[in-house]
Amino acid sequence: GAGVSQSPRYKVAKRGQDVALRCDPISGHVSLFWYQQALGQGPEFLTYFQNEAQLDKSGLPSDRFFAERPEGSVSTLKIQRTQQEDSAVYLCASSLGGAGPEGEQYFGPGTRLTVT
Amino acid sequence: AQKITQTQPGMFVQEKEAVTLDCTYDTSDPSYGLFWYKQPSSGEMIFLIYQGSYDQQNATEGRYSLNFQKARKSANLVISASQLGDSAMYFCAMRNRGAQKLVFGQGTRLTINP
Repeated sequence: GAGVSQSPRYKVAKRGQDVALRCDPISGHVSLFWYQQALGQGPEFLTYFQNEAQLDKSGLPSDRFFAERPEGSVSTLKIQRTQQEDSAVYLCASSLGGAGPEGEQYFGPGTRLTVT
Repeated sequence: AQKITQTQPGMFVQEKEAVTLDCTYDTSDPSYGLFWYKQPSSGEMIFLIYQGSYDQQNATEGRYSLNFQKARKSANLVISASQLGDSAMYFCAMRNRGAQKLVFGQGTRLTINP
């Protein structure tokens, strides 16, 4: 079956521009996650949805970052007034939920954002 | 707070040899899960293996096994009979049972030499 897809795969933005990154999770997955991965680092948690509810946004670095999942499926991560430090790969993951191995997260290919 | 430490930035191994990638963790929660992911140069994170904190036996998945030493708070990944296709970044991650988010380590870049 289809995995997690993300678009665009690459995005170049000029400093100060707004960007929107899209994530299509695996069908039927109730949980959706966004992570930020800086070059040479491990992914860092940004935010988490269960269906359409945003249950944890503790990792969003500033109020310029906003995520939504209005119908409990596709999610969009929006970054306003981009800064150079926002340059990173943004990974989306989805899961069936659950606390054990059934909560395994399946990752998309990521969107590489470069802010110039 | 949760923390994952991977102390090996890079590892170089000859093809067909076994390799151990180190991972130590810290958490105050008695119930948690430990994960290993592989990230090839293409960028996607591929799930390899899972170990629950209350699991009595070490997890195994094909050529992958997890050497879980709870008292030492370590969860090392062992890859047997390494292959050229194993060359990638490897990340150790954990999740407390009451939470959903994964906390990742810095990763280890594994290179398999022919």
